[in-house]
This record gives sequence, structure tokens and C-alpha cells, in this order.
Amino acid sequence: EVQLVESGGGLVQPGGSLKLSCAASGFSFSGSAMHWVRQASGKGLEWVGRIRSKANSYTTAYAASVKGRFTISRDDSKNTAYLQMNSLETKDTAVYYCSRQVGTTPHNWFDTWGQGTLVTVSS
Amino acid sequence: QSVLTQPPSVSGAPGQRVTISCTGSSSNIGAGYDVHWYRQLPGTAPKLLIRGNTNRPSGVPDRFSGSKSGTSASLAITGLQAEDEADYYCQSYDSSLSGSLFGGGTKVTVL
Repeated sequence: EVQLVESGGGLVQPGGSLKLSCAASGFSFSGSAMHWVRQASGKGLEWVGRIRSKANSYTTAYAASVKGRFTISRDDSKNTAYLQMNSLETKDTAVYYCSRQVGTTPHNWFDTWGQGTLVTVSS
Repeated sequence: QSVLTQPPSVSGAPGQRVTISCTGSSSNIGAGYDVHWYRQLPGTAPKLLIRGNTNRPSGVPDRFSGSKSGTSASLAITGLQAEDEADYYCQSYDSSLSGSLFGGGTKVTVL
């Protein structure tokens, strides 16, 4: 079964850091581009960023709202993607989803999503 | 603010047809990048509904169809059913952002 499971969410103070994990199973993780998408309560989906596969040099890209604060990485030996979040702000409060992008082109679709993990930034 | 614009809500009676528009620009949909659609039920993760503008993944009823023209795309739902009540999002790629982006989402209500 193709599956993504996020973990690491929780309550953090403004200015703090948090690292999310996304454990994959049931597909070729090493060959897949992995994305992070977030959703604030009652709001729409917001693309956060992505990391491509080794074949595409593990290149990353980020939304302007998180660039310079968030870092996406991966460990293909553990079939896991990560989202390191630094200098967190209250506006970063959201459910964070990881998702798999089909194929190798950057404009393909996301066919698998995790269940999401809640990050709350509050004092 | 989303670069892909969707109506906040659409509604229809059971059995009717509704459409959801997704309007972009020359750096995303107008540049030829594909549009994909997702459905999200409350408290759950999004689920792929239409891929590559018009294609339904296995298991998606043929009541759902997608189209694309110029800088816009549309999702149509025919034979509206109560179970179709959900939030729907379009997604594409933007060359100026060098990343993916989602529309603001549309809530479908079955009257």
C-alpha cells in the first residue's frame, strides 16, 4: 500500500524551530519528488516547497512565504522526507501535509498525500 | 493570495450540473502547464480528482470532468449528488514562482 505518514508537529513558541518528518512506504521513494503543502484552519491549500530526486540533484524550491526560514531535505535510505522550520511565526500555524509528485517534470500532479500533522505557533 | 483564482463557492440541486473555474495567467496555465484538481472532505487530506487537465484517475466517477483553455481551466460535476459536497482545489505550476501553486478553493454545496 502506498502511504505517507507525517510526524513531528506540535506547539512551538514564535521564533522557535520544529522539524517534521514524512515516512514513505509502498513506492519508489528515491525516484520521487516530495512536496510539503500546508493548510491553516478554515483556509485553502498553500504549497510550501519541494525536493526532487537524486537523479535531479535533490534540487529544492520554496514558496516566498517560507524561503530562508524553511528547509526541505530527504534521506532515501530511510524513505523519509523532512521539513525543518526555523524562525516560526504565528502565521505558520497550519496542518502540514507531505505529498508525492508523480513523474519527473515539475508540473505533474500529487497522487499520494499523508494525513497531515498540526503545527501550532503560539506563546 | 492565490495566483490561481477560483470562486469561493458554488451550489446546485441534486442531479444538476455545476462548474468550477480556475483562472491563472501567462506564467502558469497560460504557459501550457497542466492543471490538476483535488477534492477535500472536512478533516481529511486532499485527494486527486483530475490529472493533466482532463484525465480521471481510476475510481473517479465519469460525472467529474476537466477542461482547459487559454489561461483558465474548469471542473464540471454532472448529476450532482449529496456526497459531492466538499472543497475543490485546482493546482498548476508557475514558472515565475518556480513552484507549484493551488487555487483558493471552492466549496460545493448540494441544495
